[in-house]
Amino acid sequence: DAMVIQNPRYQVTQFGKPVTLSCSQTLNHNVMYWYQQKSSQAPKLLFHYYDKDFNNEADTPDNFQSRRPNTSFCFLDIRSPGLGDAAMYLCATSRGGPVVGYTFGSGTRLTVV
Amino acid sequence: SQELEQSPQSLIVQEGKNLTINCTSSKTLYGLYWYKQKYGEGLIFLMMLQKGGEEKSHEKITAKLDEKKQQSSLHITASQPSHAGIYLCGADIATSGSRLTFGEGTQLTVNP
Repeated sequence: DAMVIQNPRYQVTQFGKPVTLSCSQTLNHNVMYWYQQKSSQAPKLLFHYYDKDFNNEADTPDNFQSRRPNTSFCFLDIRSPGLGDAAMYLCATSRGGPVVGYTFGSGTRLTVV
Repeated sequence: SQELEQSPQSLIVQEGKNLTINCTSSKTLYGLYWYKQKYGEGLIFLMMLQKGGEEKSHEKITAKLDEKKQQSSLHITASQPSHAGIYLCGADIATSGSRLTFGEGTQLTVNP
């Protein structure tokens, strides 16, 4: 089945130690998104790639970076995780444009110790 | 203020009761999506609505997008414990481009 896969499901990292979360898709969608969802809050868009074009949200901290080496993969890099970065990170894809639908992965729950 | 307001924030119902969750936008909606999320898990897609007045149903869940396309409601008939979770509305909002904006979610508890 075509899908969006996030690895790992659970990630524990040390305070200040760089960590990378992975997302892959078999849908051949143009757009890939990274959302951060803290406990009891709505998912918040960090950035997205439309093909190779990177779009950063204005309030996304510099500590968060992303890479999309090809259509299928997108990575979220947190350069120096702080305790406040503990959250569920959700990857999503779409074909692009309004009202085309979004497909979400199962998420990666990040714990910072 | 939030672009998408969901109400109520939390809801506790007895099994078998009907319930409604609302999602209101401050801007015109091009598309409205409903998702369900179990605690600590990813989002499960429920329904997508795009035309004013559109109504979709899946099993005991019905969602409607109002004619003026700024509000949606999700209605669950004869609720079951399996319906428990967080319900999130997401929207393609005018001027936001190709991205999904979310409401704060509604935490639903169904007591047996």
